[in-house]
Amino acid sequence: RKEVEQDPGPFNVPEGATVAFNCTYSNSASQSFFWYRQDCRKEPKLLMSVYSSGNEDGRFTAQLNRASQYISLLIRDSKLSDSATYLCVVISSGSARQLTFGSGTQLTVLP
Amino acid sequence: DADVTQTPRNRITKTGKRIMLECSQTKGHDRMYWYRQDPGLGLRLIYYSFDVKDINKGEISDGYSVSRQAQAKFSLSLESAIPNQTALYFCATSDQNRDSGKEQFFGPGTRLTVL
Repeated sequence: RKEVEQDPGPFNVPEGATVAFNCTYSNSASQSFFWYRQDCRKEPKLLMSVYSSGNEDGRFTAQLNRASQYISLLIRDSKLSDSATYLCVVISSGSARQLTFGSGTQLTVLP
Repeated sequence: DADVTQTPRNRITKTGKRIMLECSQTKGHDRMYWYRQDPGLGLRLIYYSFDVKDINKGEISDGYSVSRQAQAKFSLSLESAIPNQTALYFCATSDQNRDSGKEQFFGPGTRLTVL
């Protein structure tokens, strides 16, 4: 089983739609959680951290469910510019504090 | 100018050749990383370095070696390239003193093809 799993998609949604992605992680000792965004043929960039209480940044909302070991990303009022691959990232406990990446969920917002 | 640069950006080589991928950063970060990305597998950590004298193997270090020549430079070598090392390679940096180094900043990537 992969340490971090995501539905690869693709998700094809019309402009203005609301779309949600889920990600599950296997290590219950995982400490920190993030969503990164990767545009086609580009490098990943941090989109937002995910906090236990849930957090919002404009049209983006991230949630963490430690009991069920999943995190989610909700995008409201989708824009064409939201088209990208969204990577779920987890840091587990330990001195290395390595980031473990999911394989990504591809989103295409259609006009 | 980009904060994290990688050279070359694209490289095609033959099986058995030695290849070096270079990464430089102007962010002043202490930590540097090398990842490879393959379709459907996400990014996997090859090696990481927390400072010039510290080198650590990641998830998939076999067939690779690294050198941290200075705080700003971290090179990845393939001593004898093989076709299954064909991938997109990313260098990344983070700052331990900023939020415990949680955010990583990536270079633009090197697309390597081994024939």
